[in-house]
Amino acid sequence: KAGVTQTPRYLIKTRGQQVTLSCSPISGHRSVSWYQQTPGQGLQFLFEYFSETQRNKGNFPGRFSGRQFSNSRSEMNVSTLELGDSALYLCASSLAEREGQITGELFFGEGSRLTVL
Amino acid sequence: GQNIDQPTEMTATEGAIVQINCTYQTSGFNGLFWYQQHAGEAPTFLSYNVLDGLEEKGRFSSFLSRSKGYSYLLLKELQMKDSASYLCAVLNDYKLSFGAGTTVTVRA
Repeated sequence: KAGVTQTPRYLIKTRGQQVTLSCSPISGHRSVSWYQQTPGQGLQFLFEYFSETQRNKGNFPGRFSGRQFSNSRSEMNVSTLELGDSALYLCASSLAEREGQITGELFFGEGSRLTVL
Repeated sequence: GQNIDQPTEMTATEGAIVQINCTYQTSGFNGLFWYQQHAGEAPTFLSYNVLDGLEEKGRFSSFLSRSKGYSYLLLKELQMKDSASYLCAVLNDYKLSFGAGTTVTVRA
């Protein structure tokens, strides 16, 4: 069974640009969540999606957005990049079989490492 | 808001036992997780507690007291490969909030 796949693995952008990161969850997993990891702040929750609906959102500015497609794949977008957006962005999927189910174990992808110059 | 505290670093000898404590104050609670993260790698799931008590899984055990907002992860028979960061995380309303992590160094 393939794991969570994130693309691209590494990317370099400059301030003011925008970036789109992609995440393919484990087959059958309908919940996808995104996290930002930096040395100073640790793992910070960005948002969580189930069946194309955002169920919760972290405390990040509106420049950070995401969406989930009908096949459960997800993308997140960061617009007007700032130096402080340099981080490892992790996607995780979990097996939430029905609406309202509290998800259990998360399976993380290897992450997309973004460097903003 | 969420407040999750765990020690920054711990050092132990190969074969020994280490206990990593985690205290939390959160607006809601749907369960507590422990994850292991080796440097440069993604976090991997270790344990999940939603009811009070001890959950044992091989060399790793996790304990939860919801009334005290307290959990610990117990690592027994430490091996060099256990050197990693251990993350405590609380689930609330589909959102997983992580502590800053405890870096465990296992020495020969």
